[in-house]
Amino acid sequence: AQSVTQLDSHVSVSEGTPVLLRCNYSSSYSPSLFWYVQHPNKGLQLLLKYTSAATLVKGINGFEAEFKKSETSFHLTKPSAHMSDAAEYFCVVSGATNKLIFGTGTLLAVQP
Amino acid sequence: SQTIHQWPATLVQPVGSPLSLECTVEGTSNPNLYWYRQAAGRGLQLLFYSVGIGQISSEVPQNLSASRPQDRQFILSSKKLLLSDSGFYLCAWRGRTETTPSNQPQHFGDGTRLSIL
Repeated sequence: AQSVTQLDSHVSVSEGTPVLLRCNYSSSYSPSLFWYVQHPNKGLQLLLKYTSAATLVKGINGFEAEFKKSETSFHLTKPSAHMSDAAEYFCVVSGATNKLIFGTGTLLAVQP
Repeated sequence: SQTIHQWPATLVQPVGSPLSLECTVEGTSNPNLYWYRQAAGRGLQLLFYSVGIGQISSEVPQNLSASRPQDRQFILSSKKLLLSDSGFYLCAWRGRTETTPSNQPQHFGDGTRLSIL
């Protein structure tokens, strides 16, 4: 069975400092992994996806994530946070059927 | 390019009233379609998904139902709303894939905020 664990429910950073949102996954086969962002009262927007190609995946808005099989991790990073990055972030793994398995989300706050 | 539309954006309904939320997708054919609910402070719960016209799979028992009358139209309904039906409802689509599990992401609409009074 597949699952994802987002290790932090809340993360707070200062504007201009790096962002690290942590995600561990569990999968019985080579997984497809995604990060989504959700701003208040909006739908989920795809940031990036890993589908067994390059292990370092670049996404939109300066975000990137590194797939580490030995650590079963897929952490999301950004070198410098902007105020507009404040939102909720979801780590997601593709399940064995037509479904996605969502993490519980990490709420990112960016302080001025 | 593909787009997904959900309406209405917000809805306030009394307990016991009916519900109809609509979702349409443009720019793609034969997509997989999904309805999710997101309760306040909680994650996403998959309610229904559809792989084709008239084909609906239900994930949780509830007083909601879904229908897919056309290829790119997905409707969420209820005959009598409960207070517990309040939440943020999201529709999503995904393109067809031959791989299992799918390596394609889902694409979400902007959601409908449903408040039950």
